[in-house]
Amino acid sequence: KAGVTQTPRYLIKTRGQQVTLSCSPISGHRSVSWYQQTPGQGLQFLFEYFSETQRNKGNFPGRFSGRQFSNSRSEMNVSTLELGDSALYLCASSLGTGTGLQPQHFGDGTRLSIL
Amino acid sequence: GENVEQHPSTLSVQEGDSAVIKCTYSDSASNYFPWYKQELGKRPQLIIDIRSNVGEKKDQRIAVTLNKTAKHFSLHITETQPEDSAVYFCAEGWSGTYKYIFGTGTRLKVLA
Repeated sequence: KAGVTQTPRYLIKTRGQQVTLSCSPISGHRSVSWYQQTPGQGLQFLFEYFSETQRNKGNFPGRFSGRQFSNSRSEMNVSTLELGDSALYLCASSLGTGTGLQPQHFGDGTRLSIL
Repeated sequence: GENVEQHPSTLSVQEGDSAVIKCTYSDSASNYFPWYKQELGKRPQLIIDIRSNVGEKKDQRIAVTLNKTAKHFSLHITETQPEDSAVYFCAEGWSGTYKYIFGTGTRLKVLA
């Protein structure tokens, strides 16, 4: 099976712009979660989607949004970019169903740099 | 509150020695505890996980123990090798919220 695929791998933007990141989960996985990773802060949960519905959201401003399509692919959008948004954005997929939480599998991430 | 404390933040061991990383969580409802290894420039990879109905789980040189009463869980790596050098993250999650909380990571260095 192909793993979780994130595009693009690298992105450079300037303050005030907006950006859209894409994530294709492992085939058969219906849950997609997004995380922001910065040095010293670990992985901060952004949101989780399942069957095109957001089931949970982390403590991030409304500039961060996401969506999921019927084929389980997901996108996240960040508007009005700030310098502090520079980070590695990771996507993880899991089955999303069954008893209890399922293991998550991560993509390589998109490294976003804000100038 | 949502919090996972992970210690130590850095750990250096001699090749062949054991390494132990400990995480403490706050929500007694948490019932799933995975551990991830992230090598430099690579994606986090799941190395072992444990559910709340189990006290210990082992996979070759790696083991995880869970103490629900004290709300902490630990990763044990025996006979460490240079390729074990990486950042290790613990995480906790609970059914019904579809959300994982990660620790801040432990940088493990195995000295040859």
